[in-house]
Amino acid sequence: GAGVSQSPRYKVAKRGQDVALRCDPISGHVSLFWYQQALGQGPEFLTYFQNEAQLDKSGLPSDRFFAERPEGSVSTLKIQRTQQEDSAVYLCASSLAQRQGAQQYFGPGTRLTVT
Amino acid sequence: AQSVTQLDSQVPVFEEAPVELRCNYSSSVSVYLFWYVQYPNQGLQLLLKYLSGSTLVESINGFEAEFNKSQTSFHLRKPSVHISDTAEYFCAVTTLPGGKLIFGQGTELSVKP
Repeated sequence: GAGVSQSPRYKVAKRGQDVALRCDPISGHVSLFWYQQALGQGPEFLTYFQNEAQLDKSGLPSDRFFAERPEGSVSTLKIQRTQQEDSAVYLCASSLAQRQGAQQYFGPGTRLTVT
Repeated sequence: AQSVTQLDSQVPVFEEAPVELRCNYSSSVSVYLFWYVQYPNQGLQLLLKYLSGSTLVESINGFEAEFNKSQTSFHLRKPSVHISDTAEYFCAVTTLPGGKLIFGQGTELSVKP
């Protein structure tokens, strides 16, 4: 079966532009996570969905960041008015179970470069 | 708040030598611990995990890690590394609720011939 897919794989945006990053989780996975990985750093949690409900958005760095998962499957991370500090790899992960400790499967990431 | 510290940012080692990648965590509640590996230009892959039970966990490619509650550590070891083990390794802990992962800064393992 297919793994987690993300698109685009690479995105270059000019400062001030809006971007939308897509995540297709593994079919049937209830939980979906977004992480931000800056160059040379470990991934940092952004937000978490359980089905279509966004249960935790404590990691979103500003109100320019918005995520949705309207039908409990595909998710989109939107960044408005991009800034240079938004340059990073954005990782999506999904897991089958809702319980703590369930394995998260990661996508390849979207590398965002803001110029 | 939970946190993870990987004590070495880079670990150079010769092929067939043993290696230990160190990881310490802080948490006031029970934790579940993971090691992920990231090969160049690839996504994160789960290497091994500790959820409960035996404190020594093993992966299919010869890595092992031991959960030490008293020292709040989860160090990753391999008795003999291969060139193909060259990658970035991340230690992570889950928190309550929701299972979001808190990652360490990563350790770059570089295996030389």
